[in-house]
Amino acid sequence: QVQLVQSGAEVKKPGASVKVSCKASGYTFTSYYMHWVRQAPGQGLEWMGIINPSGGSTSYAQKFQGRVTMTRDTSTSTVYMELSSLRSEDTAVYYCARVGRREVEYDAFDIWGQGTMVTVSS
Amino acid sequence: QSALTQPASVSGSPGQSITISCTGTSSDVGGYNYVSWYQQHPGKAPKLMIYEVSNRPSGVSNRFSGSKSGNTASLTISGLQAEDEADYYCSSYTSSSTPNVVFGGGTKLTVL
Repeated sequence: QVQLVQSGAEVKKPGASVKVSCKASGYTFTSYYMHWVRQAPGQGLEWMGIINPSGGSTSYAQKFQGRVTMTRDTSTSTVYMELSSLRSEDTAVYYCARVGRREVEYDAFDIWGQGTMVTVSS
Repeated sequence: QSALTQPASVSGSPGQSITISCTGTSSDVGGYNYVSWYQQHPGKAPKLMIYEVSNRPSGVSNRFSGSKSGNTASLTISGLQAEDEADYYCSSYTSSSTPNVVFGGGTKLTVL
């Protein structure tokens, strides 16, 4: 079945970096754009950026420009999101989410990963 | 402050209908038919309920429906059931500078 499986929870100190993985299965990895969305504790959803798993091109929310890097490995059908210079406000659950239409950048997210909790604490 | 405005909470009794609004601008909700709605239960990932304003994915109950008028989209849930109690988020593509995807702040639905 179509699914996205993310890496496990992380605890990081302020100033460090974290790299979250999202492994896709059950569909043609390169045909569907992938987005990253985060959710701070008790808060709403926040869009972080998009990656084209085919060519690797990316676009990031201005808020995260310079701190976030999204990459992909087509050999393992995995996308990655790395966030640097972590601060306490980055404590959140991070989700990868697939666009539901082939080769369309922006549309509804039909499949979500289970989420990865990242805690930033000294 | 979220880019799209939703009521913080709504409630209804089993069997009743409720509507959740989602207000944006002509750069997002009003300008494109890329409005979607997500249901999120505590500790779980969001689940797609409505895409492109009014379409239901396979497997989603026909008690859920979506619509749009001007800059405001709406999610209606009819025949409320206990399992509908959850947080609901709207989302839209936006032509404003990044972010290119905006979410509402979320609405907590309580089934009385």
